[in-house]
Amino acid sequence: DIQMTQSPSSLSASVGDRVTITCRASQGISNYLAWYQQKPGEVPKFLIYAASALQSGVPSRFSASGSGADFTLTISGLRPDDVATYYCQKYNSAPLTFGGGTKVEIK
Amino acid sequence: EVQLVESGGVVVQPGGSLRLSCAASGFTFDNYTMHWVRQAPGQGLEWVSLISWNGDSTNYADSLKDRFTISRDNSKNSLFLQINSLRIEDTAFYYCAKGLYYRVLTGPLDYWGQGALVTVSS
Repeated sequence: DIQMTQSPSSLSASVGDRVTITCRASQGISNYLAWYQQKPGEVPKFLIYAASALQSGVPSRFSASGSGADFTLTISGLRPDDVATYYCQKYNSAPLTFGGGTKVEIK
Repeated sequence: EVQLVESGGVVVQPGGSLRLSCAASGFTFDNYTMHWVRQAPGQGLEWVSLISWNGDSTNYADSLKDRFTISRDNSKNSLFLQINSLRIEDTAFYYCAKGLYYRVLTGPLDYWGQGALVTVSS
């Protein structure tokens, strides 16, 4: 099965910073990648699909890119409301594996 | 408004069984693949299983397929997860989630329920 590896596992940045999270697949998955945000104590929220397409209602400070095996999620202008754990998920075929998560905190 | 409401979360002894349910509303249930995802306390997300819109296809995480069974009743807009031979490590929140794409087996999960807590303890 394809493994999904996120890095870093956690990060601390200042309000206004540009934050980048990386997700790597152990094999190519084309652009069949989604990103989710889970705030503390909340249910995961769907952010991005097809590696770079923003779900309706997601703020434009979120962007994502990648294809094949390497993907990134970028938050341009970190806000306190962005404190959360972010997960990537592959969906080219089952199993629909999640990455281990990246916890984003405010410095 | 899409709503997914899980039920059936309980405290159960190791070796026991349980059935989780998910009541869906706000969308045409029999047009979408449905999923179960679990999250152990303080841990990351683990995809568990999916079932196609018509129930004809199912898939499971490799480590779980022998004990977990997903099913659905489209006449009642309901999704189910049967878990047998429960283990301590099955303790988790179990989320029901809807697939994004119309009648496509795999895809991202656009709506999630609030989760049902399953605690396996003696």
